Amino acid sequence: SQKIEQNSEALNIQEGKTATLTCNYTNYSPAYLQWYRQDPGRGPVFLLLIRENEKEKRKERLKVTFDTTLKQSLFHITASQPADSATYLCALDIENTNAGKSTFGDGTTLTVKP
Amino acid sequence: NAGVTQTPKFQVLKTGQSMTLQCAQDMNHNSMYWYRQDPGMGLRLIYYSASEGTTDKGEVPNGYNVSRLNKREFSLRLESAAPSQTSVYFCASTRGRSSYNEQFFGPGTRLTVL
Repeated sequence: SQKIEQNSEALNIQEGKTATLTCNYTNYSPAYLQWYRQDPGRGPVFLLLIRENEKEKRKERLKVTFDTTLKQSLFHITASQPADSATYLCALDIENTNAGKSTFGDGTTLTVKP
Repeated sequence: NAGVTQTPKFQVLKTGQSMTLQCAQDMNHNSMYWYRQDPGMGLRLIYYSASEGTTDKGEVPNGYNVSRLNKREFSLRLESAAPSQTSVYFCASTRGRSSYNEQFFGPGTRLTVL
């Protein structure tokens, strides 16, 4: 079955730097990959979706890349701020059947220090 | 709009007790989902409902039942709670059946089974 691995349990960076988070998958390349943000005690909030035929997607200070050869997506936050501190989850189609079922990675917790 | 609402927010049960977690959305979404999130393990899909009147198993359905009461409401029932079901439960909804759609999450129910 498809497995997702997100890099390291925690990432600490200094304010103003670029944070880079990794999402690797093991089997087939999904048709899409989503990124969510989760704050402590709250439900995840959707950030970005990237399709398999898109190399890169941007939204304000966020950038997502998708490399189907490496079976990897990278999530970048440029000019990071303490308010960006949260857990970031990637998700993709659990069976690549577009049936509405997603599998989530365990998440990477980002802390941005002032 | 309230988005996705869940009740209760917190619950403590004894082993063997039963309870129903309630979820409602006011976005006229077709698909709804139940996930559980254990510390460090990310979100795992329990059940989902692609449309009113249909339900399907996810990754970890054992010990749970669901009811799609109408288009707005999707409930999750634990018939005989076990300590292994201690977790945070999230309900989510999407506009359509396609995995392409972003998921909107509720605030979660924190369940402890003693």
